[in-house]
Amino acid sequence: DAEITQSPRHKITETGRQVTLACHQTWNHNNMFWYRQDLGHGLRLIHYSYGVQDTNKGEVSDGYSVSRSNTEDLPLTLESAASSQTSVYFCASSKARRSDTQYFGPGTRLTVL
Amino acid sequence: SQQGEEDPQALSIQEGENATMNCSYKTSINNLQWYRQNSGRGLVHLILIRSNEREKHSGRLRVTLDTSKKSSSLLITASRAADTASYFCATDAGGSQGNLIFGKGTKLSVKP
Repeated sequence: DAEITQSPRHKITETGRQVTLACHQTWNHNNMFWYRQDLGHGLRLIHYSYGVQDTNKGEVSDGYSVSRSNTEDLPLTLESAASSQTSVYFCASSKARRSDTQYFGPGTRLTVL
Repeated sequence: SQQGEEDPQALSIQEGENATMNCSYKTSINNLQWYRQNSGRGLVHLILIRSNEREKHSGRLRVTLDTSKKSSSLLITASRAADTASYFCATDAGGSQGNLIFGKGTKLSVKP
């Protein structure tokens, strides 16, 4: 069955370190998204991609970057982790139109000490 | 920017009762979606209603959309303990990007 996976599921890192969170989907979806979820803020969009070599900034993109070299993967990189980036991160994908149904991964809980 | 906002923030009911959650939004939309999130898990899509639809059903779920009031409601009938979760509405802003914007969610607790 098609699915979307994230790794690692839990990560503890130190301030200033570079961290990469992986997202892999086997839906063959063009659109992929990264969100962070924090208490009191709901889900906020970090970056998104509408296809290979396409990346766009979302609402809270500062300190994050993504790259899309193939259809299946959209890794999220924190260039220099900060305590404010402690959060739960979700990757999602959708098939066609930008406002189509999104399929979510299980999430990565990141703690920056 | 928050487009959808759910109400209430938290809801506690007994098994068998109906649960109603509301979502209000600010700008015109193409569609509105409802998602469920169980504790520690990712969001799962429940139902999508388009701007030209007024009501949609899926099993025990009933969603209504009132575009004149910019609001939607999610009704879960005959609730079960397994319905305990957070429920989010998501709207597309209808603009050129059309990405989904999620509300902060309603936390539903169904007591056995």
